[in-house]
Amino acid sequence: GQQLNQSPQSMFIQEGEDVSMNCTSSSIFNTWLWYKQDPGEGPVLLIALYKAGELTSNGRLTAQFGITRKDSFLNISASIPSDVGIYFCAGQRSDYKLSFGAGTTVTVRA
Amino acid sequence: DGGITQSPKYLFRKEGQNVTLSCEQNLNHDAMYWYRQDPGQGLRLIYYSQIVNDFQKGDIAEGYSVSREKKESFPLTVTSAQKNPTAFYLCASSIVPDHNEQFFGPGTRLTVL
Repeated sequence: GQQLNQSPQSMFIQEGEDVSMNCTSSSIFNTWLWYKQDPGEGPVLLIALYKAGELTSNGRLTAQFGITRKDSFLNISASIPSDVGIYFCAGQRSDYKLSFGAGTTVTVRA
Repeated sequence: DGGITQSPKYLFRKEGQNVTLSCEQNLNHDAMYWYRQDPGQGLRLIYYSQIVNDFQKGDIAEGYSVSREKKESFPLTVTSAQKNPTAFYLCASSIVPDHNEQFFGPGTRLTVL
């Protein structure tokens, strides 16, 4: 199955900063999902996007489904220490299965 | 509480041995999935099941087998034919097969010694 291109691969945050990450694909997806994974745990669903151009918020998180249906981004505003973890994007393929990005690792800057 | 449970959390096995990972859900979801996660990579689909007594191969099914005898349970067997079995294994479920939102269990870390 195809993998999505997720960037950046890693980032350092300082408390209070806004951060942004994105996913791109050469193929069109019908749905974009964003997950967060803590070390040694399963991913937790943060936001689901169903329509091209859709902009959805969940607390300090905002995600958008790209107009071309080939990309999505996730913003975290006013980051806090518990935002650290690995963030994954996932796109639903035409066969209804999900393709996942490699993840963006968010770490607190010392 | 409704959710997905996986056991054990950590599993060690010797080369050449088969091992079975458990996945149970009480969400009344029809569809269940098994993924493999390796460092620096996205999740890769091993097997999925859309309904009881039915399952299909995912993208990396070689060396794995599954069964779906009950709606709540979808065990994964890692056989000795799997060349590189050390990984973090994640089970997920969704309400129906074409429902986009998949919910994940806590995972099982398998280490082959």
